[in-house]
Parts: sequence; structure tokens; C-alpha cells
Amino acid sequence: LAKTTQPISMDSYEGQEVNITCSHNNIATNDYITWYQQFPSQGPRFIIQGYKTKVTNEVASLFIPADRKSSTLSLPRVSLSDTAVYYCLVGDIEAAGNKLTFGGGTRVLVKP
Amino acid sequence: NAGVTQTPKFQVLKTGQSMTLQCAQDMNHNSMYWYRQDPGMGLRLIYYSASEGTTDKGEVPNGYNVSRLNKREFSLRLESAAPSQTSVYFCASSDPQEVGNQPQHFGDGTRLSIL
Repeated sequence: LAKTTQPISMDSYEGQEVNITCSHNNIATNDYITWYQQFPSQGPRFIIQGYKTKVTNEVASLFIPADRKSSTLSLPRVSLSDTAVYYCLVGDIEAAGNKLTFGGGTRVLVKP
Repeated sequence: NAGVTQTPKFQVLKTGQSMTLQCAQDMNHNSMYWYRQDPGMGLRLIYYSASEGTTDKGEVPNGYNVSRLNKREFSLRLESAAPSQTSVYFCASSDPQEVGNQPQHFGDGTRLSIL
């Protein structure tokens, strides 16, 4: 499974855009990039997933360059409720068992 | 639609006691997983079950056993609890049979303390 590297923490203010970049230099051809959000005392929650280029949903955007060795999660106009830990995961989601490796995540603190 | 349900939510054990953590999902998913999360850390995979009737070890299986009772239920057992197993345990499910977007759905965890 490809190892990922992401910042330990980031601070932001309400209304700003937050961009979290994840490095995954050893990503394999069949690997997808998935981001999860975790609030205290809760299980992780799926945010967005992509394979290449750009993916957007109602919550976030995911930018993936052509070489796929990194990806950037973009959270537009964050609010206090976006304070959470964000995990970047890389893995072959079509493989049996769909095993994922969670790193330490990025702690995002949104300030008023 | 409850998603993934874990019981109990909290438990305190003494060293050497045994315990089974229960997990059930109502999404008809084939794959289920057990993770542990230590304070300030990411999740580590203990065991997973790709489909009913199969189980495989993850990153940290020592000291644990699992049972995939049926398609809905996947239990995690600690035969002889140790203080190093104090952690928050998360169960998850997914359906690799679906092409493309196959996120894992997580329960809210079981907080286990071993004295």
C-alpha cells in the first residue's frame, strides 16, 4: 500500500478556503485516492475520492496532477464545524478486502 | 438506515479478562473491517473480512480473533486483555463489488480501557 505524507496540522479562519496536500510518491496504477474526515468521538466519514484530474462534490474538491504523486483536498469557505482530522488514503479499492492504511492525518482548526 | 452499529460503546476490563466487540451493518456490504485508534494516531487495521466466510489479518492482529458470523455481523474478540489493547475500536464496511466509489462506512467506535 502506498504511503502518504500530509501536514500534521493547519489553522484557518471561518470563510477561508483550506487546502491540504498529500504526497504519495509510490502510488500504483490501480490505486485510488480517498479522503476521510473524523470528528472527535466519531468514526471517519468519507469525503471524496478520485483517480486523476479533478473531482468535486457538495463538500470538497480533489485536485490530482497528471503524475498522481500528490493530491490536494480543497475545502471551500470553511466553518467552525469543519474543525476535524482529515486523512488521505491511497489504495486499490477494487482489490479483495479493500485494505486502507491510515496515516496520522491533518488536524484542521477553524477559528472564528 | 442505521449503517454500522457497534456495541458496546464503552467498556472497562481488567487485565486477563476476555471480551467480544460486536459490529453489524445493514447496507448489505460484502467486506467488513476492524481498526484500532490510539490517542493522537491514525487507524490501524486489525482484521478484515473480504466476504462472508473469509477473514484475513491486517497490520496489528496479535492478541485478537475475529468471526464473520454472517454477511451482517463481524465480531472482534480479545481472549486475554492487556493494557496495551486500551484503544478505540472502529468497525467499518464496504462493497468492493461496486465499481468506482467504494468508501468504507464506519461505526462510532467502542472505547475500551484495560486496567
